[in-house]
Amino acid sequence: DAMVIQNPRYQVTQFGKPVTLSCSQTLNHNVMYWYQQKSSQAPKLLFHYYDKDFNNEADTPDNFQSRRPNTSFCFLDIRSPGLGDAAMYLCATSSSAGALSYEQYFGPGTRLTVT
Amino acid sequence: GENVEQHPSTLSVQEGDSAVIKCTYSDSASNYFPWYKQELGKGPQLIIDIRSNVGEKKDQRIAVTLNKTAKHFSLHITETQPEDSAVYFCAASTPYGQNFVFGPGTRLSVLP
Repeated sequence: DAMVIQNPRYQVTQFGKPVTLSCSQTLNHNVMYWYQQKSSQAPKLLFHYYDKDFNNEADTPDNFQSRRPNTSFCFLDIRSPGLGDAAMYLCATSSSAGALSYEQYFGPGTRLTVT
Repeated sequence: GENVEQHPSTLSVQEGDSAVIKCTYSDSASNYFPWYKQELGKGPQLIIDIRSNVGEKKDQRIAVTLNKTAKHFSLHITETQPEDSAVYFCAASTPYGQNFVFGPGTRLSVLP
């Protein structure tokens, strides 16, 4: 089945220690997104890639970076995690082909704990 | 920019009853309105969506209605079942926009 895969599902890191979360997709979608979701809140968009073009949200902290080496993979790097970065991180994909607006398909998320 | 409001924030219904969740949006250019269901510990799952060229869409027990004039859209779930219990998010998107604006969510509890 075509899907969005996130690894790991649970990640524990220490305060200030860099961490990388990964996302892969078999949908061959050209747009990939990273969201942060805190408890009892809606997902908050951090940034997205439209093909190779990186689009950062204005309020995304510089502490968050992303890489997309190819169509299938996208990484979220948190350079110096703080306690406030503990959250669920969601990857999503969509296709810009043949539609005016793009359905987004989410992965299962990575729960990040910062100690 | 777009702003999406969602009501109620929590909703409890008896099994077999109907549930209705309402959303309003501010940007008249928005033309795509998805609904997501999120179970505990999982990613949001697209359950139904509607585009601005239609007023209603139905898929088995789930339906969505859209009133573009009033800028609101609603999710209707009939014959609710315990497995419908989850958090539901509405969202709005503008033409060719890659980004959604999500509503704050509704926690639905279906009581057996």
